[in-house]
Amino acid sequence: DQQVKQNSPSLSVQEGRISILNCDYTNSMFDYFLWYKKYPAEGPTFLISISSIKDKNEDGRFTVFLNKSAKHLSLHIVPSQPGDSAVYFCAASALAGNQFYFGTGTSLTVIP
Amino acid sequence: KAGVTQTPRYLIKTRGQQVTLSCSPISGHRSVSWYQQTPGQGLQFLFEYFSETQRNKGNFPGRFSGRQFSNSRSEMNVSTLELGDSALYLCASSLAQVGTEAFFGQGTRLTVV
Repeated sequence: DQQVKQNSPSLSVQEGRISILNCDYTNSMFDYFLWYKKYPAEGPTFLISISSIKDKNEDGRFTVFLNKSAKHLSLHIVPSQPGDSAVYFCAASALAGNQFYFGTGTSLTVIP
Repeated sequence: KAGVTQTPRYLIKTRGQQVTLSCSPISGHRSVSWYQQTPGQGLQFLFEYFSETQRNKGNFPGRFSGRQFSNSRSEMNVSTLELGDSALYLCASSLAQVGTEAFFGQGTRLTVV
């Protein structure tokens, strides 16, 4: 049972435009959410996180939005750059432990 | 500060054999988690160790086991390998507190033939 879902396997965006990656979850106990970026043959790299007490967290070009009532979060990248091309995973955990549930990833391609 | 180090990077084993993978966490991190990544499945949680004790466990068969040493280094063992065990195995380290981000190593690519 996939508790964290990324329904878009791929996304293409023009350089300079906004990239929006979406993630849905089913477990209402999740209260900490993260986004990771992954290149082939490398481990995921932490990008940004948000706890359930917030609905927005911003770090440079990256902003994560959390809608708890809809059990939905999104990652906005503005402006998108070719170097952002990678697979993006969202992950969630309940504060009871460090076990993270990951989505299946969205492959982002930023076109120069 | 050194990152998470996993060894070896690549491994080829035969069905029925066993394998041991190693992970050295970031200095000061006491929580080590293991994940399996296969195409189309994303990252699946195997188990988490903290202070040499298994704190959380995912839904994997008993052929998958692990341990953590007093210096926080961790090993993962898979016995009686099956073709379906071919995957990228990732180790992540975190501070002791829950609700903090995990930092991943580059992974060990295991191929079972």
